[in-house]
Amino acid sequence: NAGVTQTPKFQVLKTGQSMTLQCAQDMNHNSMYWYRQDPGMGLRLIYYSASEGTTDKGEVPNGYNVSRLNKREFSLRLESAAPSQTSVYFCASILSGGTYNEQFFGPGTRLTVL
Amino acid sequence: SQQGEEDPQALSIQEGENATMNCSYKTSINNLQWYRQNSGRGLVHLILIRSNEREKHSGRLRVTLDTSKKSSSLLITASRAADTASYFCATDAGGYQKVTFGTGTKLQVIP
Repeated sequence: NAGVTQTPKFQVLKTGQSMTLQCAQDMNHNSMYWYRQDPGMGLRLIYYSASEGTTDKGEVPNGYNVSRLNKREFSLRLESAAPSQTSVYFCASILSGGTYNEQFFGPGTRLTVL
Repeated sequence: SQQGEEDPQALSIQEGENATMNCSYKTSINNLQWYRQNSGRGLVHLILIRSNEREKHSGRLRVTLDTSKKSSSLLITASRAADTASYFCATDAGGYQKVTFGTGTKLQVIP
């Protein structure tokens, strides 16, 4: 049981390049989330998917797109990376409908945009 | 904008002392959670307290919630060097379990 996995762990991009961050969970969770973490800002929600087939914008969605490929996988795409997107990105999942709202986090992807 | 604001931003204590950190939030909530983040790692859930609860314990952790003041506190008793981490509060108002995180308290426990 790997929990929430993210790839890659590190990435350096040049301005204007594109890339996709991958996230997968093996806990049969319904909801999945993408956050970015910047110094002094805490975590900010980019997009979330309440269930397979649905996605919704969070607090900072501009410059990002997401795909909920299936129940396990939720990817985040940067179409044209900008230096302002330099951050640490975390994927999380939760078993919706359960008693608790505990989120399980992946280890993060550290992205630098030059 | 952040829903939760932790206070203090940073805290340094000696091993064995108690650590208290506070969280204030702006709007009504269903639940409030505390998470820990070790340097360079993802967040780990510590404890959840519901809006109809006032206090909760888990091992060396004690969480209180005052909905009238829109605030919560996390107490770590008999701290250890391994408690060195950042601590975040997170709130949700139900719905799709969308959770909003605060800015965190960085705790350093000196051996």
